[in-house]
Amino acid sequence: GAGVSQSPRYKVAKRGQDVALRCDPISGHVSLFWYQQALGQGPEFLTYFQNEAQLDKSGLPSDRFFAERPEGSVSTLKIQRTQQEDSAVYLCASSPSSSRPTNEKLFFGSGTQLSVL
Amino acid sequence: KQEVTQIPAALSVPEGENLVLNCSFTDSAIYNLQWFRQDPGKGLTSLLLIQSSQREQTSGRLNASLDKSSGRSTLYIAASQPGDSATYLCAVNSGYALNFGKGTSLLVTP
Repeated sequence: GAGVSQSPRYKVAKRGQDVALRCDPISGHVSLFWYQQALGQGPEFLTYFQNEAQLDKSGLPSDRFFAERPEGSVSTLKIQRTQQEDSAVYLCASSPSSSRPTNEKLFFGSGTQLSVL
Repeated sequence: KQEVTQIPAALSVPEGENLVLNCSFTDSAIYNLQWFRQDPGKGLTSLLLIQSSQREQTSGRLNASLDKSSGRSTLYIAASQPGDSATYLCAVNSGYALNFGKGTSLLVTP
């Protein structure tokens, strides 16, 4: 596709359920980021991949959060035993190069809105 | 940790007005600063990117300035239109992850 694609667009989960959020970056993009955006807040960094390598996961809020990108393209963010405070929009972004820092622009997907009841 | 603040949190103006959105950051050791637009239910669209060595960038009716030493950036929107209504986010790049402000919610009324 032409842009970063995320699915599902909306996810409603009962507290305690596991969820998996998918990100399809722009083809050929080396760098992939996950951000979490709570209502009324700016996005907060979660984790960063360079190809299949997860180089930084310092933003993941707890060990219930896990991300992978096994073949260096599609990425999945998994949240185990969801809690109400996990309710947010989860944004994925990609960029072409591996060098960091960079003056490249990031391309964002439309996000997955997660609601935990 | 880099803290990014945006003022005002919300702004409503009549169509045709020029307006300024403000962004401040606490650590001047930045690589670049970016302004994004976010429409409801949509992702972020990059508007302008100012490298640390630059003072300003322009795109159409948008002009962004950067004063790294004082930790400030402004986004100037000329001749505002109802289609400019959105949330505008400022983000600072100090490494590879962006640090975002909370955004300014802009409403331009016809």
